Amino acid sequence: GQSLEQPSEVTAVEGAIVQINCTYQTSGFYGLSWYQQHDGGAPTFLSYNGLDGLEETGRFSSFLSRSDSYGYLLLQELQMKDSASYFCAVRDQGQNFVFGPGTRLSVLP
Amino acid sequence: DAMVIQNPRYQVTQFGKPVTLSCSQTLNHNVMYWYQQKSSQAPKLLFHYYDKDFNNEADTPDNFQSRRPNTSFCFLDIRSPGLGDAAMYLCATGAKGARPFFGQGTRLTVV
Repeated sequence: GQSLEQPSEVTAVEGAIVQINCTYQTSGFYGLSWYQQHDGGAPTFLSYNGLDGLEETGRFSSFLSRSDSYGYLLLQELQMKDSASYFCAVRDQGQNFVFGPGTRLSVLP
Repeated sequence: DAMVIQNPRYQVTQFGKPVTLSCSQTLNHNVMYWYQQKSSQAPKLLFHYYDKDFNNEADTPDNFQSRRPNTSFCFLDIRSPGLGDAAMYLCATGAKGARPFFGQGTRLTVV
């Protein structure tokens, strides 16, 4: 089976940098993805790491260490619109795509 | 243009009355997923199809069934909805080995 852990809540101010961590245990591993979800909306894809290291997409970066079964999402220059839930997700050898419990980010003015 | 389309966006059904949610895709992806998401929780995988092969999660209740008549369409059938089944239902599609694309979801209310 799969098991993912994330902090439940993070709070930061506009313009700050925040890091959301994710640890996982899976039967087979085919990459770590990050999704953003605003209240009432569907998850939207942010970033993907298949190999170790850092991936950068604009203000968002994601990191993976497969030896540590660990990754993080880094959000820079926070804006109010970044207030949302953020989920890490993994795909296992059986094509199951499973989400972590989610981290609710609140950005304060 | 929307690539994964869920209909309807909002569905109200009566307690115990069967209901069907639909999902269609224009991406020709092999894999189609159904997730249930309750308020303030993560999406929970119910089952997925890899082509015509159906894969049920071990803890998905028997009340939930699915059909995939062709590559483009997939249906979620709830045979006897209970109040606890009120949730957002998300459909997603993916090519083998690739990340899923999500539809906008169907919010189900049970009265």
